[in-house]
Amino acid sequence: DAGVIQSPRHEVTEMGQEVTLRCKPISGHDYLFWYRQTMMRGLELLIYFNNNVPIDDSGMPEDRFSAKMPNASFSTLKIQPSEPRDSAVYFCASSFATGKIYFGEGSWLTVV
Amino acid sequence: GIQVEQSPPDLILQEGANSTLRCNFSDSVNNLQWFHQNPWGQLINLFYIPSGTKQNGRLSATTVATERYSLLYISSSQTTDSGVYFCAVSTGNQFYFGTGTSLTVIP
Repeated sequence: DAGVIQSPRHEVTEMGQEVTLRCKPISGHDYLFWYRQTMMRGLELLIYFNNNVPIDDSGMPEDRFSAKMPNASFSTLKIQPSEPRDSAVYFCASSFATGKIYFGEGSWLTVV
Repeated sequence: GIQVEQSPPDLILQEGANSTLRCNFSDSVNNLQWFHQNPWGQLINLFYIPSGTKQNGRLSATTVATERYSLLYISSSQTTDSGVYFCAVSTGNQFYFGTGTSLTVIP
């Protein structure tokens, strides 16, 4: 069975550019989470969706970050404009109801 | 939010040794999960264990929800067990992660 699929796996971009990260959750899962991991702050929840509807975006750092889930099998996290402090690993995860959470392999973002 | 503390922060084991990792949390929760992040960064779900005890091979976990802690046992450790172990708790759907226990198993 396919797990959570994220793309790109690695991205290096220049400050000021737009970055779009993509996620395909596990089929049948109704919750989708976006997390960011840094050495300084650990794993932080940015936003999560239930049945494609954003439920809690209080973890989104600022207006430069936006996330969408147009259908049950696709979500995007966009950063515009990107800044060096956005460099991190961004994880997408999904779950069915409040069960086990499954993580994708992460998108490693470097903003120079 | 809920505070999650994990101990020890770092652990070095000889291959074959056993270990116990602890997760304390500051409030009642209805969901607790353990994850292993391997050296390549992948986060693998080990257990969904809001209460009780579960076993999976050499790993087992126990959560005592009334006392607000969970334990992860690793027996006969192997070098592939190296990585960071995270505990995550939730009262709804927002999960709070601990800072992890970094485990190194040496041959």
